Amino acid sequence: EVVLTQSPDTLSLSPGERATLSCRASQSVSGNSLAWHQQKPGQAPRLLIYGASSRATGIPDRFSGSGSGTDFTLTISRLEPEDFAVYYCQQYGSSIFFGGGTKVEIK
Amino acid sequence: VQLVESGGALVKPGGSLRLSCASSGFTVSGASMSWVRQAPGKGLEWVGRVGSKTFGGATDYAASARGRFSISRDDSENKVYLQMNSLNTEDTAVYYCFTGVPQGGFWGQGTLVTVSS
Repeated sequence: EVVLTQSPDTLSLSPGERATLSCRASQSVSGNSLAWHQQKPGQAPRLLIYGASSRATGIPDRFSGSGSGTDFTLTISRLEPEDFAVYYCQQYGSSIFFGGGTKVEIK
Repeated sequence: VQLVESGGALVKPGGSLRLSCASSGFTVSGASMSWVRQAPGKGLEWVGRVGSKTFGGATDYAASARGRFSISRDDSENKVYLQMNSLNTEDTAVYYCFTGVPQGGFWGQGTLVTVSS
């Protein structure tokens, strides 16, 4: 079983600031099969990033993903008001696991 | 693409429930379809999936679901099902249908299952 550890649990930032979220896997993620999802209160999640660094359809370019192996990062270059939400990393492929999530809140 | 879950309800511990996921704009037989749940105030937990028709529709499950939950697919109806047996209070959650990332990563809006006496 792969354990995905996200940090920090909560990130308090102001609109316009840069957000950097981390996802660390307990073992190497094969084929960089790592995705990021955004979830706002009362809504279903939405896919942001797949393949560690490819943006899903319609996702603004202020969202970017990077990393490989066991360490992955989601960066939001300049936070917009609608970006304050919870973000989950996910391994997919031969097995599926989710990280515990990082909440990005308004400071 | 639209995924619509239904079947969520209040059920007593030990009871059973079947959830449905109806797809439009997306052919479920061509994809690996997952169920993911979210307990109140908690994170996302993968429950299980049914493979595409190409791969024989094989199923696999998270440890928490294995032996109690069963996922199936009706290609003629373009639906996926989650049969849940021996439910306990820890199964209380919103259950989402999810296409899987390689298939576009589409999510349904979820259906609430409450297990309580």
